[in-house]
Amino acid sequence: DARVTQTPRHKVTEMGQEVTMRCQPILGHNTVFWYRQTMMQGLELLAYFRNRAPLDDSGMPKDRFSAEMPDATLATLKIQPSEPRDSAVYFCASGPQGASGGAWYNEQFFGPGTRLTVL
Amino acid sequence: AQSVAQPEDQVNVAEGNPLTVKCTYSVSGNPYLFWYVQYPNRGLQFLLKYITGDNLVKGSYGFEAEFNKSQTSFHLKKPSALVSDSALYFCAVNTGFQKLVFGTGTRLLVSP
Repeated sequence: DARVTQTPRHKVTEMGQEVTMRCQPILGHNTVFWYRQTMMQGLELLAYFRNRAPLDDSGMPKDRFSAEMPDATLATLKIQPSEPRDSAVYFCASGPQGASGGAWYNEQFFGPGTRLTVL
Repeated sequence: AQSVAQPEDQVNVAEGNPLTVKCTYSVSGNPYLFWYVQYPNRGLQFLLKYITGDNLVKGSYGFEAEFNKSQTSFHLKKPSALVSDSALYFCAVNTGFQKLVFGTGTRLLVSP
């Protein structure tokens, strides 16, 4: 049963510290998404990769957030420095690319999330 | 800009009764519509999608959704609710080449 995995599942840190969240997409999926979920804002898309290349990170605060895919089995989301307003659940999702390149047509498979608390 | 609205924060239904979770959308082209479910402390799970074709789409766990272009709606339905259906349900929309936009979610509570 292929699943998206995320580590850590929970992270508590102090303001100003660096936070790195990791995601292993489903083998064979070539699109990876990072989302943030909060009560106030709901589910927000932060970044999107296809074939390891970042295609859209317009939803991400550029000054403190960065997202990378060092290889096809690992995606990372880093916050430096972290702030209390970054407290949220961060989800990674992966998906197959459609035959015509329309990844958006296909369902996304979500990981269990990383619950981040910044004190 | 594309958007999706879920007008009900919460839907309450008794087990065995039919359920409907409402979703309306706004896009400038042909919509591609999705329903996802989120159980506590879990990621979202795909239920079903409408891309083209038959307006009635059947999905996982006995759920179905009806695409209505004139009313710009994509309501989620199930003929007989189970207590285990209690969860948070998200409608999402895109036009095939843009970001997937999620609604704010509807909490479904099925009472025994």
